Amino acid sequence: GENVEQHPSTLSVQEGDSAVIKCTYSDSASNYFPWYKQELGKRPQLIIDIRSNVGEKKDQRIAVTLNKTAKHFSLHITETQPEDSAVYFCAASKGGNNRLAFGKGNQVVVIP
Amino acid sequence: EPEVTQTPSHQVTQMGQEVILRCVPISNHLYFYWYRQILGQKVEFLVSFYNNEISEKSEIFDDQFSVERPDGSNFTLKIRSTKLEDSAMYFCASSEVNYGYTFGSGTRLTVV
Repeated sequence: GENVEQHPSTLSVQEGDSAVIKCTYSDSASNYFPWYKQELGKRPQLIIDIRSNVGEKKDQRIAVTLNKTAKHFSLHITETQPEDSAVYFCAASKGGNNRLAFGKGNQVVVIP
Repeated sequence: EPEVTQTPSHQVTQMGQEVILRCVPISNHLYFYWYRQILGQKVEFLVSFYNNEISEKSEIFDDQFSVERPDGSNFTLKIRSTKLEDSAMYFCASSEVNYGYTFGSGTRLTVV
């Protein structure tokens, strides 16, 4: 089955700096790549997603890039704020409402 | 904004007891899922459900687990004889056709 690896496991950034989290996936048939933000004790919330027919997608301070050849995708957060502190999970799916395979998560800490 | 509702928020049960976790998916969604997250670990797929039957299940979803949609609104996960290692946060999710998961707020199951 699909195996999603996420790096680094923790990331500390100064407020205002950028944060980048990278994920790799193993199954070339995967075509849907969402990112979830999870605050302590709360549900995972979808923050951005990308499908394999595009290479980049942006939503305000958040962007995701996809490299299908290398089978990796990255989350970019610019102008980080303390409220960006959370665990971020990447996931991959073959789409069509198939299961999501999650990475292990990345703890992002934004230092004021 | 429509929400996936889960009850109870926290369930404590003795090892060997049966538990039923309840979910009310978003009304116009057709696909329903259960995921679990052991404390500090990644979110893991358990089962997906469509058109009143299981469409996919993981190796975690053994004979101790079952799902049911007893009426037009509820979606339940039953664990017949709980084990200590079943302690986790259980998330229900629903989606429309093609992507767009919405997760519920979760049920924290503690087996003692």
